[in-house]
Amino acid sequence: EAQVTQNPRYLITVTGKKLTVTCSQNMNHEYMSWYRQDPGLGLRQIYYSMNVEVTDKGDVPEGYKVSRKEKRNFPLILESPSPNQTSLYFCASSQTSENEQFFGPGTRLTVL
Amino acid sequence: GENVEQHPSTLSVQEGDSAVIKCTYSDSASNYFPWYKQELGKGPQLIIDIRSNVGEKKDQRIAVTLNKTAKHFSLHITETQPEDSAVYFCAASTGTGGFKTIFGAGTRLFVKA
Repeated sequence: EAQVTQNPRYLITVTGKKLTVTCSQNMNHEYMSWYRQDPGLGLRQIYYSMNVEVTDKGDVPEGYKVSRKEKRNFPLILESPSPNQTSLYFCASSQTSENEQFFGPGTRLTVL
Repeated sequence: GENVEQHPSTLSVQEGDSAVIKCTYSDSASNYFPWYKQELGKGPQLIIDIRSNVGEKKDQRIAVTLNKTAKHFSLHITETQPEDSAVYFCAASTGTGGFKTIFGAGTRLFVKA
């Protein structure tokens, strides 16, 4: 089954404790993105990647890091999480920049 | 920065009526305009999209129109059904030289039976 998976689905952590949210797709897609979703703000792009070792900032990259060492994986790293990073996070992938993005099920992160 | 404005934020219609959601974008380099539907507890799913060289596209009860001059695009749902109730997002993507995607804030659609 073609899909995007994210782990964990739920995470409660404390300020300053480094964490990684994993994302994997099995569709051989070139493009991958991370978004955060906050009430009243829609989805905001954090980082995107157009291929292995090619990443760039989206609209809200501060406080986040990403890497793309393999085509299928695109982890999101929070080196020192803060409460304002409490949000619902989505990973997505697509074949090209002008094609449907397939979204993962989301990761709900709470930073205390 | 670049943005996408979406209206209305909430829309309530009677089953069988039409629903229209409108978006305006600011980046003239945007060339791909998808619409996503998000149901409770799930990730967004594409329902229809349109590219900058097309003015209108229809798929059964759903249609999208694009006016590049006005930087405006709209989603039209006809003969609405209760299962159309969800949050709808428009987006504008700039694929040339990058993959920046800006989403609207969303429209919560209620279809009353």
